[in-house]
Amino acid sequence: AQSVTQLGSHVSVSEGALVLLRCNYSSSVPPYLFWYVQYPNQGLQLLLKYTSAATLVKGINGFEAEFKKSETSFHLTKPSAHMSDAAEYFCAVSEGNTPLVFGKGTRLSVIA
Amino acid sequence: SAVISQKPSRDICQRGTSLTIQCQVDSQVTMMFWYRQQPGQSLTLIATANQGSEATYESGFVIDKFPISRPNLTFSTLTVSNMSPEDSSIYLCSLGGQGGTGAFFGQGTRLTVV
Repeated sequence: AQSVTQLGSHVSVSEGALVLLRCNYSSSVPPYLFWYVQYPNQGLQLLLKYTSAATLVKGINGFEAEFKKSETSFHLTKPSAHMSDAAEYFCAVSEGNTPLVFGKGTRLSVIA
Repeated sequence: SAVISQKPSRDICQRGTSLTIQCQVDSQVTMMFWYRQQPGQSLTLIATANQGSEATYESGFVIDKFPISRPNLTFSTLTVSNMSPEDSSIYLCSLGGQGGTGAFFGQGTRLTVV
């Protein structure tokens, strides 16, 4: 069965600094991988997804993620953090037609 | 992308009562999913709801506690029965997510049981 591990329940960065949120997955088949963002008191919004095409995936709001099969990782990055990026971020994995399985989430704080 | 309308957006309920959450989609979909997000936690899949068949529940969730209806391809309900404070969570309906499409979520129902 697939699973996701997000390293770090809370990450704090300064405004303008690099954002790196870590995600490692476990899957018995080539996975589909996703990053979602959840702002306070809101639903989930899809940031980006990997579906076996390009290993470097660009998403909304300047975020990108790189699929590394050898490391079973799908880390999320953004070159320069903005105050509006403060939110909860969830990595998720799916195998074929199975529902998404989510990681525990990482809360990103951005310090002015 | 599909538009998902979920009602109510929030509610405060007395223990022992039941609450039915509605999820309306603007297009026909075969599979819909119900997730629970407990305070400060991630999303956990409750069940998969297919139109015309019984919902499929994940381990730890039972039909008596979380009955689900799926009367047509655009609508589903989740009932949280005989509620206790431990049921206080955000409940989200979702569609898609298979085959790499990426799941879409409703805004969620924030339930507080007192």
